[in-house]
Amino acid sequence: SAVISQKPSRDICQRGTSLTIQCQVDSQVTMMFWYRQQPGQSLTLIATANQGSEATYESGFVIDKFPISRPNLTFSTLTVSNMSPEDSSIYLCSVGAPSGVQETQYFGPGTRLLVL
Amino acid sequence: SQQGEEDPQALSIQEGENATMNCSYKTSINNLQWYRQNSGRGLVHLILIRSNEREKHSGRLRVTLDTSKKSSSLLITASRAADTASYFCASHWRANNLFFGTGTRLTVIP
Repeated sequence: SAVISQKPSRDICQRGTSLTIQCQVDSQVTMMFWYRQQPGQSLTLIATANQGSEATYESGFVIDKFPISRPNLTFSTLTVSNMSPEDSSIYLCSVGAPSGVQETQYFGPGTRLLVL
Repeated sequence: SQQGEEDPQALSIQEGENATMNCSYKTSINNLQWYRQNSGRGLVHLILIRSNEREKHSGRLRVTLDTSKKSSSLLITASRAADTASYFCASHWRANNLFFGTGTRLTVIP
């Protein structure tokens, strides 16, 4: 299994500012995913990030609001730009299983964001 | 939206009882997976059932899949207080993307 860490674990931010969330994996993985989980809700996929290519965004999410970097096979960042209180959520990164059952995903612990 | 639905939204049982959660999804799938989330933290993969399978077991977990009804169920037998968590089904139908259900919040009372 993959071990995933995220930074920061939580933050409180002012509206209009931006926050960059880091995701680090202990092994090389092809695909990384970013999810948003609004309070009391399920997970919604924001985008898929492959190393060396532009991230693929799901409907309702745009690069200007959620720019993503994927500089290598073990690291990715998600920026939440020009934040508003509606962006208050848990943001989770995940990776596709590096071996074994390919369709499963391993999740980081999440970043809990509160926007005031 | 590809998101599935789960019921019940919340379930409270006594320790030792069985817990059953149901999931419905919208599209044809390659497989369906169940994840557990403790207290708003990261998700932990529990079990995967492929579209050509009807039932699968893993320890105290039993998963069924009915592709004709686009539904799945997760049964946790002999529940423990440590099973208290939110449980999500996730359908896998394209690339490596997962689409999560709305979740069931399970509380196991010691």
